[in-house]
Amino acid sequence: AQSVTQPDIHITVSEGASLELRCNYSYGATPYLFWYVQSPGQGLQLLLKYFSGDTLVQGIKGFEAEFKRSQSSFNLRKPSVHWSDAAEYFCAVGAKGAQKLVFGQGTRLTINP
Amino acid sequence: DAGITQSPRYKITETGRQVTLMCHQTWSHSYMFWYRQDLGHGLRLIYYSAAADITDKGEVPDGYVVSRSKTENFPLTLESATRSQTSVYFCASSDYRANTGELFFGEGSRLTVL
Repeated sequence: AQSVTQPDIHITVSEGASLELRCNYSYGATPYLFWYVQSPGQGLQLLLKYFSGDTLVQGIKGFEAEFKRSQSSFNLRKPSVHWSDAAEYFCAVGAKGAQKLVFGQGTRLTINP
Repeated sequence: DAGITQSPRYKITETGRQVTLMCHQTWSHSYMFWYRQDLGHGLRLIYYSAAADITDKGEVPDGYVVSRSKTENFPLTLESATRSQTSVYFCASSDYRANTGELFFGEGSRLTVL
């Protein structure tokens, strides 16, 4: 069965600092991996996704993520955060040909001015 | 382009009452999903549907009923609401033809059961 772990429930960073949100997955085959962002009171918006090919993927809002098969990880990064990045971030895993996604518990990001 | 709309956005009900959360999508996506979001659990799949008249259980289906008579609608019913069903409910859809697994979410329905 697929599973996703986001080890950090809450992270606080200063505006302008770099960011890395961790995601570890469990899945036997090559996974489809996603990062979603949820602003307060809103639904989830796709930041980026990985299916195959280049293991470093670029997303919207200046985010990127790197797929590391050996570590079963798909960490999200941003070189310089903005106050508007404060939100909840969810990592998710899916399987090729399947439509269901399994989500992690989420990481809440707070930005200090 | 309306996308996915959920109604109501906010609902307060009492234990034992029946509640139906509505979900409507305008993309003609084949797949639709209901997730619940709870602190410490992230999003958990309740039910999903691959097409009209085809539904299947997810991770936490107990206490919920779904139907899908039309492709665009996927209502979720709590037949006898319990306090443990207080949550934020998200409807989502995906396009099977794209085969990407990407989900498109509604804005959520916040349900409080007193």
